[in-house]
Amino acid sequence: GQQVMQIPQYQHVQEGEDFTTYCNSSTTLSNIQWYKQRPGGHPVFLIQLVKSGEVKKQKRLTFQFGEAKKNSSLHITATQTTDVGTYFCASRSGTYKYIFGTGTRLKVLA
Amino acid sequence: GAVVSQHPSWVICKSGTSVKIECRSLDFQATTMFWYRQFPKQSLMLMATSNEGSKATYEQGVEKDKFLINHASLTLSTLTVTSAHPEDSSFYICSARDKGLAVWDEQFFGPGTRLTVL
Repeated sequence: GQQVMQIPQYQHVQEGEDFTTYCNSSTTLSNIQWYKQRPGGHPVFLIQLVKSGEVKKQKRLTFQFGEAKKNSSLHITATQTTDVGTYFCASRSGTYKYIFGTGTRLKVLA
Repeated sequence: GAVVSQHPSWVICKSGTSVKIECRSLDFQATTMFWYRQFPKQSLMLMATSNEGSKATYEQGVEKDKFLINHASLTLSTLTVTSAHPEDSSFYICSARDKGLAVWDEQFFGPGTRLTVL
């Protein structure tokens, strides 16, 4: 079945440093969604990318969808302690359901 | 924004008992709800897709007789863990799609239910 891998699994950064997580699939993805889950919380939707090569920005966050629609990345510029959490990508599988990536857990050291 | 609630937020039960978890969309109608299970420090694993008025669609490896799903209305889906055992202890999260939105739009997640089976 469809699998979506994320790297790295964990990332510790010093506050102010940049952070990037990558989402990779062996098959072409119809779309990609990104979620953030704070420790002890539930996933919160961040953004959706649909078009090949699409780039979207939300303040310090930049999301990219690969030209071949098989990979995506989330880049955070100048991390803050509020960025702590696990970032998941998710892709639609079938009509409505989504398959979640393995996640990248970010820890920001003050 | 769309709000999804779950009840209870946590539950502790004895092995062999059944536990019912409710998932409600509070301000929108959800024809489709999803049930996920998340073990500590792991990703969300889709268990089943719950469709209003019809049988749930279970993912491979998920026992439908153990995890009973009922989507009784456009705002309520329930997951019952029957004869729970310690290995069923996990974080169960539901999500819902807004009936009025296109297929590309986001899922709204409930706050989750932490189940501990002793």
